[in-house]
Amino acid sequence: EIVLTQSPATLSLSPGERATLSCRASQSVSAYLAWYQQKPGQAPRLLIYDTSNRATGIPARFSGSGSGTDFTLTISSLEPEDFAVYYCQQRSNWPLTFGGGTKVEIK
Amino acid sequence: EVHLVESGGGLVQPGRSLRLSCAASGFTFDDYAMHWVRQAPGKGLEWVSGISWNRHDIDYADSVKGRFTITRDNAKNSLYLQMDTLRTEDTALYYCVKDTGGGYAYFSAWGQGTTVTVSS
Repeated sequence: EIVLTQSPATLSLSPGERATLSCRASQSVSAYLAWYQQKPGQAPRLLIYDTSNRATGIPARFSGSGSGTDFTLTISSLEPEDFAVYYCQQRSNWPLTFGGGTKVEIK
Repeated sequence: EVHLVESGGGLVQPGRSLRLSCAASGFTFDDYAMHWVRQAPGKGLEWVSGISWNRHDIDYADSVKGRFTITRDNAKNSLYLQMDTLRTEDTALYYCVKDTGGGYAYFSAWGQGTTVTVSS
């Protein structure tokens, strides 16, 4: 099973700041990595798939990069609605696995 | 608009069974793989099981293999999860999830979830 480790666990930032979230895989997942956003009381929402492709309707301030074992989700300028928990997920190997999440909170 | 509505959750004793259902609408159900993903209270996401559009490919997380069975009925636009020999650690919110395609294994749409509580 591929283990995904996200860091930091919590990121405290102000609106307008840049957020950089990390996801590291225990073995290569090639480019088969996605990112999801989850707000309290809501189901997750797909943001990015295959490392860098934005899902339908996702604003351009969200971008993804990386390959192999190291991946990054960047939010260029935080909007108030972006404060949430973010998860990475790999589809390179079964079973599918998620990272433990990074909470982006208001500083 | 994609709509996924889960049902069948509830309180059940350890060792007992429960069957979850998911009614899908707003897309061509038999074009897409489907999954169940769960989230224990206050915890992260855990993929549970997935099934291809034609039921030929099925897989499970190790934590549920041999106890849970995923099925689908394309004529009824429905997904199911039969959960047997339930354990306290199966307590979670269970989401019905639509794949991004025929088995690309990303999750493009989620229901609101149904809560399963396993407790004596």
